Amino acid sequence: QVTLKESGPALVKPTQTLTLTCTFSGFSLRTTGMRVGWIRQPPGKALEWLARIDWDDDRFYSTSLKTRLTISKDTSKNQVVLTMTNMDPVDTATYYCARYGSGSYDYFDYWGQGTLVTVSS
Amino acid sequence: EIVLTQSPGTLSLSPGERATLSCRASQSVRGSQIAWYQQKPGQAPRLLVYGAFSRATGIPDRFTSSGSGTDFTLTISRLEPEDFALYYCQQYGSSPLLTFGGGTRVEIK
Repeated sequence: QVTLKESGPALVKPTQTLTLTCTFSGFSLRTTGMRVGWIRQPPGKALEWLARIDWDDDRFYSTSLKTRLTISKDTSKNQVVLTMTNMDPVDTATYYCARYGSGSYDYFDYWGQGTLVTVSS
Repeated sequence: EIVLTQSPGTLSLSPGERATLSCRASQSVRGSQIAWYQQKPGQAPRLLVYGAFSRATGIPDRFTSSGSGTDFTLTISRLEPEDFALYYCQQYGSSPLLTFGGGTRVEIK
């Protein structure tokens, strides 16, 4: 059974760095082809893809946010970590981690429940 | 970046009716690599269809999709009460850079 769960602060101040952790089970990032990504959704708005990390440690970022994002993994803990620097109120959103589908196809077959992050002083 | 435009923004229908949701891309989506998701309030998105045509595990056959190039459609043949939700399309033809549409809300008329 595949599960993912996001954790991190519910509230961050402007200019701070956000660190979110995705803890997953039912699969391993040691497995060839496995990939995990982060997606966010501002309240009442659409989904936005942020980043992806692969089993072989390849990393990819949203063009508009790549200077602020870092994605990493700890395969021994089955965790993926996303950091976002210089947080701003417009970054207020629910942040989801999700597993990529099998093969080389970049859809998301399993999602975490999401964690709401509010940026406010 | 491929921009996806979903229409209509809101679809007001009754249970048992047919729903047709559109997703138009700003440029051709390679290999018809489009996925559709359903999202209910307070929940994460759920994968419905990938590869433009293939239903995800456990998705009923009243959900079908079609399209190629820049125009894609999700059809719900007969709306069930649990189908009233938000629907998003996503393209992965320009992988690793992914984009989502703005969503279509299917509401009870």
